[in-house]
Amino acid sequence: AQSVAQPEDQVNVAEGNPLTVKCTYSVSGNPYLFWYVQYPNRGLQFLLKYITGDNLVKGSYGFEAEFNKSQTSFHLKKPSALVSDSALYFCAVRGYGGSQGNLIFGKGTKLSVKP
Amino acid sequence: DGGITQSPKYLFRKEGQNVTLSCEQNLNHDAMYWYRQDPGQGLRLIYYSQIVNDFQKGDIAEGYSVSREKKESFPLTVTSAQKNPTAFYLCASSIAGGHQPQHFGDGTRLSIL
Repeated sequence: AQSVAQPEDQVNVAEGNPLTVKCTYSVSGNPYLFWYVQYPNRGLQFLLKYITGDNLVKGSYGFEAEFNKSQTSFHLKKPSALVSDSALYFCAVRGYGGSQGNLIFGKGTKLSVKP
Repeated sequence: DGGITQSPKYLFRKEGQNVTLSCEQNLNHDAMYWYRQDPGQGLRLIYYSQIVNDFQKGDIAEGYSVSREKKESFPLTVTSAQKNPTAFYLCASSIAGGHQPQHFGDGTRLSIL
């Protein structure tokens, strides 16, 4: 079955410290991977995607993600966290077969950055 | 500015009542999607449409219906058959193709009176 796992419900980081939000995936073909961010009572905003090529992908607001095929992971990272980064983060993978083109989302990780 | 507009932002439904959530996009995207978001469960796909006058059921279509008469519009009806409709509903659109990111509206929060 195709799936995405975000093993941490919440991640707490001090402002200025590096942050990592974890994501692992399971798909039957080449993975197309995405990260989105959601602020309270808002829709999801696209941060970055991995399709092919360089394993380190850079995205919006200083975020980046590292694709690791052997570990089937796509962790989101930022070198220095801001209080304004506090939000809900979703990892997603493109489905194959009957759901081709559709995204399968993880359950989300709440990031809390304290001053 | 191009984007996706969902209305209303808040909606209340009485028992036995059907309600329709609006989703309009001016991004010229072919594909449109409806998701349901519940706390701690992420996003679950209700219906999707890759082209006008065609749509497919997602993972949790029971109790919902959609139409796609125009490229710009993809309304979702929550019928009385949906026994637990209280949730945050998100509409999205994308260029056709699995590597294209989806663009989301700001959602409609539906509650039962």
